[in-house]
Amino acid sequence: AQSVSQHNHHVILSEAASLELGCNYSYGGTVNLFWYVQYPGQHLQLLLKYFSGDPLVKGIKGFEAEFIKSKFSFNLRKPSVQWSDTAEYFCAVRSEDSSYKLIFGSGTRLLVRP
Amino acid sequence: EADIYQTPRYLVIGTGKKITLECSQTMGHDKMYWYQQDPGMELHLIHYSYGVNSTEKGDLSSESTVSRIRTEHFPLTLESARPSHTSQYLCASSAGLLADTQYFGPGTRLTVL
Repeated sequence: AQSVSQHNHHVILSEAASLELGCNYSYGGTVNLFWYVQYPGQHLQLLLKYFSGDPLVKGIKGFEAEFIKSKFSFNLRKPSVQWSDTAEYFCAVRSEDSSYKLIFGSGTRLLVRP
Repeated sequence: EADIYQTPRYLVIGTGKKITLECSQTMGHDKMYWYQQDPGMELHLIHYSYGVNSTEKGDLSSESTVSRIRTEHFPLTLESARPSHTSQYLCASSAGLLADTQYFGPGTRLTVL
């Protein structure tokens, strides 16, 4: 069955540090990939998505992610984190059955210390 | 902010009670979804709908049922709640394009005693 792996369950960084959150997926065909974020007390919301074209995708709030097909990866990056980036981050892939369903990873909880 | 609403936000009930979790969206989206999420775990799709009178079971088996009588409304019902149903339930909707964003509600945190 399709799966999404997020390697880090908890990450703690100081402000201005660089961030990279890992995401690997299991399906080898055409993929649509997503990163969602959930800030404390808020709805889950889209950070960025990859559908086709440029494998380097830029999202909101200075986040970007790179799709590397050969590594089945879609890692999320930010050069300099802020305290307000404290949140839980979920990677997701659209189901290989060409439906609209998303398959989520288990999430990474990021704490940024001021 | 997405216009998708869930009520109640928190619910604590006893075993054997029937409950309905409400989900409504005002965006006119055809596609709607219910996910179940335990703390520190993945979101698992339990039900989805591609439009009025369309409902399908998701990847995670669930004893709950859903209905889609109106485009904007996608309630989830548990006929007889059990402690194993304790979880967070998230509702989402999307316009339907393959790469389209799913918009999530705030969730209902259910505790069954």
